[in-house]
Amino acid sequence: AQSVSQHNHHVILSEAASLELGCNYSYGGTVNLFWYVQYPGQHLQLLLKYFSGDPLVKGIKGFEAEFIKSKFSFNLRKPSVQWSDTAEYFCAVKGGSSNTGKLIFGQGTTLQVKP
Amino acid sequence: EPEVTQTPSHQVTQMGQEVILRCVPISNHLYFYWYRQILGQKVEFLVSFYNNEISEKSEIFDDQFSVERPDGSNFTLKIRSTKLEDSAMYFCASSVQPNTEAFFGQGTRLTVV
Repeated sequence: AQSVSQHNHHVILSEAASLELGCNYSYGGTVNLFWYVQYPGQHLQLLLKYFSGDPLVKGIKGFEAEFIKSKFSFNLRKPSVQWSDTAEYFCAVKGGSSNTGKLIFGQGTTLQVKP
Repeated sequence: EPEVTQTPSHQVTQMGQEVILRCVPISNHLYFYWYRQILGQKVEFLVSFYNNEISEKSEIFDDQFSVERPDGSNFTLKIRSTKLEDSAMYFCASSVQPNTEAFFGQGTRLTVV
């Protein structure tokens, strides 16, 4: 069955600390991978995406993620977090040949950054 | 910047009542979606819609649910007879193509009492 697993449910960091949020997926075939962020009271916004090519993708606000096909992983990283990064982060996968656009989400990770 | 808008932001309804959640997708997008998130759980896919037809639906999307694009701008989700377990945040999304980025609305929090 298709699934996405995020390892951390709740992460607390101090400002300037480095961040890595784990994401593993189970999906047969090619995939498109996404990280979405939801700031308090706001809608889901795309942080970054991987469709093909360079497995290290850069997104907005200094975030990056690395697709490791052999590990079925797409971990999100940021070298130095800020208080404004406090939000919920969702990893999601879509079949590369999907003609319906269905996204499968992980359970989300709540990131709390202490000033 | 174009965005997906959803109304209302919060709806409280009594069990057994019908509710309609409304969404205005981004104007040049062709694919529309509904997702839901029960408190503390994953965001779950409900349905995708293209060319006035459902293109895929999940097991959650049973006969109590329906979607419609009544005009050129709105996309609605109807729950015919709400149950307590329908209480959740419902997100609408749209995309240009099925394999491109989906843009999400702010969600409607549905509370069934």
